[in-house]
Amino acid sequence: DQQVKQNSPSLSVQEGRISILNCDYTNSMFDYFLWYKKYPAEGPTFLISISSIKDKNEDGRFTVFLNKSAKHLSLHIVPSQPGDSAVYFCAARVTGTASKLTFGTGTRLQVTL
Amino acid sequence: NAGVMQNPRHLVRRRGQEARLRCSPMKGHSHVYWYRQLPEEGLKFMVYLQKENIIDESGMPKERFSAEFPKEGPSILRIQQVVRGDSAAYFCASSPPDGDWDTGELFFGEGSRLTVL
Repeated sequence: DQQVKQNSPSLSVQEGRISILNCDYTNSMFDYFLWYKKYPAEGPTFLISISSIKDKNEDGRFTVFLNKSAKHLSLHIVPSQPGDSAVYFCAARVTGTASKLTFGTGTRLQVTL
Repeated sequence: NAGVMQNPRHLVRRRGQEARLRCSPMKGHSHVYWYRQLPEEGLKFMVYLQKENIIDESGMPKERFSAEFPKEGPSILRIQQVVRGDSAAYFCASSPPDGDWDTGELFFGEGSRLTVL
């Protein structure tokens, strides 16, 4: 049962444009949603998170939007830079489970010149 | 380096051998998590430990896999009698003690890549 889904395995965006990565979830008990970035042969690094009581969180070029009614969140990167090329994982946590995260399968972002 | 340290980075084993993967959490962190990433898949939770306690092992295969986090020393993920399907990247992550952190953020190591021949 895939509780966190990233339906786009890959995305290609031109440098300077906006990248939008999407994530859908099924478990209503998730209280925190996180985005991680992963380069090949490295561990995931935390990017940005959002509490389920909010609908938007912004940090520099990165903004996460949460639509609870649709059980959907998205990560916006603007402007996109070549160094943003990586795999992006959406993750979610159930209330009261410390940091036991459920991950999506990832979206590979390629930012082209 | 104050980050999560994992070793070995790469491990090759033949079928039937044992694999031991080690993880030292970030300084000040008392919670350790192990995740596995199979090729072309996302990270799957395996086990959550605190010092000398297994808190949640709901993601661990029932046989051949075990984990510990002793009072002294690193956390160890042990896989006995490895099979080809165990080939994967195993990531360790840590988080601060309860009450210090409530966003669910985990700090990951660089992973240990196990190849079973």
